Amino acid sequence: GNSVTQMEGPVTLSEEAFLTINCTYTATGYPSLFWYVQYPGEGLQLLLKATKADDKGSNKGFEATYRKETTSFHLEKGSVQVSDSAVYFCALSQDNYGQNFVFGPGTRLSVLP
Amino acid sequence: GAVVSQHPSWVICKSGTSVKIECRSLDFQATTMFWYRQFPKQSLMLMATSNEGSKATYEQGVEKDKFLINHASLTLSTLTVTSAHPEDSSFYICSARRGFHTDTQYFGPGTRLTVL
Repeated sequence: GNSVTQMEGPVTLSEEAFLTINCTYTATGYPSLFWYVQYPGEGLQLLLKATKADDKGSNKGFEATYRKETTSFHLEKGSVQVSDSAVYFCALSQDNYGQNFVFGPGTRLSVLP
Repeated sequence: GAVVSQHPSWVICKSGTSVKIECRSLDFQATTMFWYRQFPKQSLMLMATSNEGSKATYEQGVEKDKFLINHASLTLSTLTVTSAHPEDSSFYICSARRGFHTDTQYFGPGTRLTVL
């Protein structure tokens, strides 16, 4: 079956540090890949997505590139801020209709001033 | 934008009572809505998929008689937890898909249910 694996947290960084959160997936075919962010006490918000190999999703300074050869979709940001503290979920969707959505376990990020 | 709201944001109830949670798409018509459950410090687990005007499709292991889902309109889906027990305490999150040919889901803020 489909699955998503993320690096275990929590991740604690100082402000302006470089961030990488690893994500790898197992799926048949060519899934779409997503990063969602959940701020404390809130629901999930779509951060970025990529729908095919070599696509790069980007938003709010975050980037992730769909690497089919390594089945990865690592999240990066060059300079994190305190406001980036949240839980980040990697996810995949197996079809074009939002069905079969599979989430990773989430990685908690804490950014210290 | 694509805003999804949930009501209530939190609810506390006694064991044995039923609780209804509403999920609304505020600025778009949602052909499909999804209900998830999230345990503390864990990921989201899909409970069911709800298409407007038809019966919900439940994931394996989810009791359809306990978690009643109604998707009566293109902007509203409800989840009713019947005869709630303490083990049903959780964070329930809905999401909505706008249109048919998209794989992006828009999530509500979640409802925290505590059953005493």
